[in-house]
Amino acid sequence: GENVEQHPSTLSVQEGDSAVIKCTYSDSASNYFPWYKQELGKGPQLIIDIRSNVGEKKDQRIAVTLNKTAKHFSLHITETQPEDSAVYFCAASKGGGSYIPTFGRGTSLIVHP
Amino acid sequence: GAVVSQHPSRVICKSGTSVKIECRSLDFQATTMFWYRQFPKQSLMLMATSNEGSKATYEQGVEKDKFLINHASLTLSTLTVTSAHPEDSSFYICNLKPRGTDTQYFGPGTRLTVL
Repeated sequence: GENVEQHPSTLSVQEGDSAVIKCTYSDSASNYFPWYKQELGKGPQLIIDIRSNVGEKKDQRIAVTLNKTAKHFSLHITETQPEDSAVYFCAASKGGGSYIPTFGRGTSLIVHP
Repeated sequence: GAVVSQHPSRVICKSGTSVKIECRSLDFQATTMFWYRQFPKQSLMLMATSNEGSKATYEQGVEKDKFLINHASLTLSTLTVTSAHPEDSSFYICNLKPRGTDTQYFGPGTRLTVL
């Protein structure tokens, strides 16, 4: 089955700096890669996703890149703000039907004011 | 984005009682529903998956008689924790997939505390 590794487990940055979280996956058939942000005491919220037919996607300060050959994808947050502090999860899925996504173990991002 | 509600958000119960958690999609039809549990500072652990018109499929190690899942309709799924024990205390989160998409949406979660 699919295996998703996520690094780092904890990331501490100063406000205004960039943050990068990386994930690798094992199943080359995976073609859908969402990222979720989970604030304390809340359910994860989808913040951005990418499919295997594109290499990069941006949404304001957030971007995701995908390298299908190397089987890794990354979340980039620029100009970080304290409200970006949360746990971020990556996931990989074959997409479609009832395929179950495999989640990474999460990255706790702390943005210091 | 799609809206998913979960009720209750918090519940405290005595050991031995049963607790029902409801998960609703407010603006879409969910053909696939997932239930996860999450321990403090840990990742998401999939408990079971239910597809439209089918019984739930449970992950290895999850007792189906203890965690009853009902995919009642395309907009409602319920998780009932039967004869709850303190070790069942956790954060339970539903996750719904709209028809025809890959995107999945989580509910806000339910914090269960069993005394």
